[in-house]
Amino acid sequence: ETGVTQSPTHLIKTRGQQVTLRCSSQSGHNTVSWYQQALGQGPQFIFQYYREEENGRGNFPPRFSGLQFPNYSSELNVNALELDDSALYLCASSLAGSDTEAFFGQGTRLTVV
Amino acid sequence: AQSVTQLDSQVPVFEEAPVELRCNYSSSVSVYLFWYVQYPNQGLQLLLKYLSGSTLVESINGFEAEFNKSQTSFHLRKPSVHISDTAEYFCAVSGVSGGYNKLIFGAGTRLAVHP
Repeated sequence: ETGVTQSPTHLIKTRGQQVTLRCSSQSGHNTVSWYQQALGQGPQFIFQYYREEENGRGNFPPRFSGLQFPNYSSELNVNALELDDSALYLCASSLAGSDTEAFFGQGTRLTVV
Repeated sequence: AQSVTQLDSQVPVFEEAPVELRCNYSSSVSVYLFWYVQYPNQGLQLLLKYLSGSTLVESINGFEAEFNKSQTSFHLRKPSVHISDTAEYFCAVSGVSGGYNKLIFGAGTRLAVHP
């Protein structure tokens, strides 16, 4: 068990709506990263939060935003949902540093109709 | 820029046969390399990692991978697979860029073990 929990596990939204996904990081981890995994593809880096600030972002538009809270839990918000946003969204927690292991949650399966 | 190429999208194999899942990477900086496994409807689990030192790394369930710097490869091998090894396998590279580190994944290789 990795200790990273995500909620909800599944949800269905309509195009144009907004969605918030949540992640509780593993105890002691101060860094949270979010990834989007489209069907049949590898995960793509969305952004990373460290000490409540975004410190890195992948090639995703501004309608993808996030937060990190003092307890290091995190939210991913997506506005103006598009059909192509349908994917598995993975949260990973780690300690700062490129040689540390990232622990992944089970993911949230988002379907946009 | 860093990138990862997994050369096979699907690998069918019979139970107890050996298997190799191929992974090549490109990077202009020192990298750390990982293999993750994803079972159906689940998140990613770390299988093994190369950070430094011995170029051959092993997992607790019989997988091994060898870091080859000259060939920029990090192939995953197992001498005898089980039905339970059926899953999606992702090779990933990590490196600090712009002051933060992130994982860059390959497209994945679906390992299907048949009885």
